[in-house]
Amino acid sequence: DAKTTQPPSMDCAEGRAANLPCNHSTISGNEYVYWYRQIHSQGPQYIIHGLKNNETNEMASLIITEDRKSSTLILPHATLRDTAVYYCIVRVGYNFNKFYFGSGTKLNVKP
Amino acid sequence: DAGVIQSPRHEVTEMGQEVTLRCKPISGHDYLFWYRQTMMRGLELLIYFNNNVPIDDSGMPEDRFSAKMPNASFSTLKIQPSEPRDSAVYFCASRPGTSGNHNEQFFGPGTRLTVL
Repeated sequence: DAKTTQPPSMDCAEGRAANLPCNHSTISGNEYVYWYRQIHSQGPQYIIHGLKNNETNEMASLIITEDRKSSTLILPHATLRDTAVYYCIVRVGYNFNKFYFGSGTKLNVKP
Repeated sequence: DAGVIQSPRHEVTEMGQEVTLRCKPISGHDYLFWYRQTMMRGLELLIYFNNNVPIDDSGMPEDRFSAKMPNASFSTLKIQPSEPRDSAVYFCASRPGTSGNHNEQFFGPGTRLTVL
């Protein structure tokens, strides 16, 4: 099963871009990369997912390296409400439903 | 849409007691998931259902844990007897089947369980 490695914490100034890295060097060819976040005391919230190409939605952008061994989640203009734990997840094998969440990155957005 | 609903939000019980956690998934969602979150082990998938049928319960820690989904709008996670090491936040999540964004799981607010 592909696992992920993320820095335990990062700081970001409000209004600046937050770039959250993730290593997934053992990812298989058909495994997607998902990003979720968990604001304190709430359930996790889906952000974005991708396979090979870069993806963008209203919340964030996902940049996946060509060899797919790492990715970066970008929050273009971080706000205080973006303070949360961000999980980079790879889908376990071909099972659409099983995620390994790991320990995530605590993003602290500061005024 | 009310989202995934869980009850109770907080539960404090004594060791040896039976605990039942409840979940109402989002209407129309075909999949339902139960997760457990602790400081030591993080967020773990316990079991998931598809169309009310348990598909994978390999994450259920032991026989003291059981989960049911009697209909499309209700699921329970039961612990009997409970132990202090079961103290955790238990999340329920649901997602659509083949329609909609089948990649996104919608999580409930969680139930914080404390076993004394």
